[in-house]
Amino acid sequence: DAGVIQSPRHEVTEMGQEVTLRCKPISGHNSLFWYRQTMMRGLELLIYFNNNVPIDDSGMPEDRFSAKMPNASFSTLKIQPSEPRDSAVYFCASSPKEGRPIVIPGELFFGEGSRLTVL
Amino acid sequence: LAKTTQPISMDSYEGQEVNITCSHNNIATNDYITWYQQFPSQGPRFIIQGYKTKVTNEVASLFIPADRKSSTLSLPRVSLSDTAVYYCPAGRKFYFGSGTKFNVKP
Repeated sequence: DAGVIQSPRHEVTEMGQEVTLRCKPISGHNSLFWYRQTMMRGLELLIYFNNNVPIDDSGMPEDRFSAKMPNASFSTLKIQPSEPRDSAVYFCASSPKEGRPIVIPGELFFGEGSRLTVL
Repeated sequence: LAKTTQPISMDSYEGQEVNITCSHNNIATNDYITWYQQFPSQGPRFIIQGYKTKVTNEVASLFIPADRKSSTLSLPRVSLSDTAVYYCPAGRKFYFGSGTKFNVKP
């Protein structure tokens, strides 16, 4: 399997622009997670989906962030409008286990991340 | 929210056995304890998981006391390639935090 695929790998944009990050989970996995990583806050969970349905979005920082999963093989994380403090590496991860509850949470597979820089 | 506490950083020398501890006081009864490894410019990678006592695989050993409020990741005979950030995410929201920055010196 190709693993979790994220695009773009790098994005540089200007404040106020819309940013869309994309993720293709591993085929057959039914849970998908979006994380944000910064030096200050470490790796934070933003939102996770189970069977394409958003289960918990309490980690989404504010209304400028939105995530969708229109089907089992694709998800997007959108920031509109973007701000310099959104600069971070955004990771997508998928799991073959259900998101809630997870009894054995070890099977979380991460993509290589999308590095976002907002000027 | 089930959060974990880990040392911010640790150093070691090649060939040593290293133990990295994690405190997870709020772990739920049916939650497993997992450890991940992250190299620069890569996503975290699963290393090992356990529920209680001891688990060993080809990469590491995991020691979990009876009260499950902590765990210890043991890396045998570390090499330079073990330099990474190590996480012990807890709970069903996979709280990773900042992890432990582990550096192996030659």
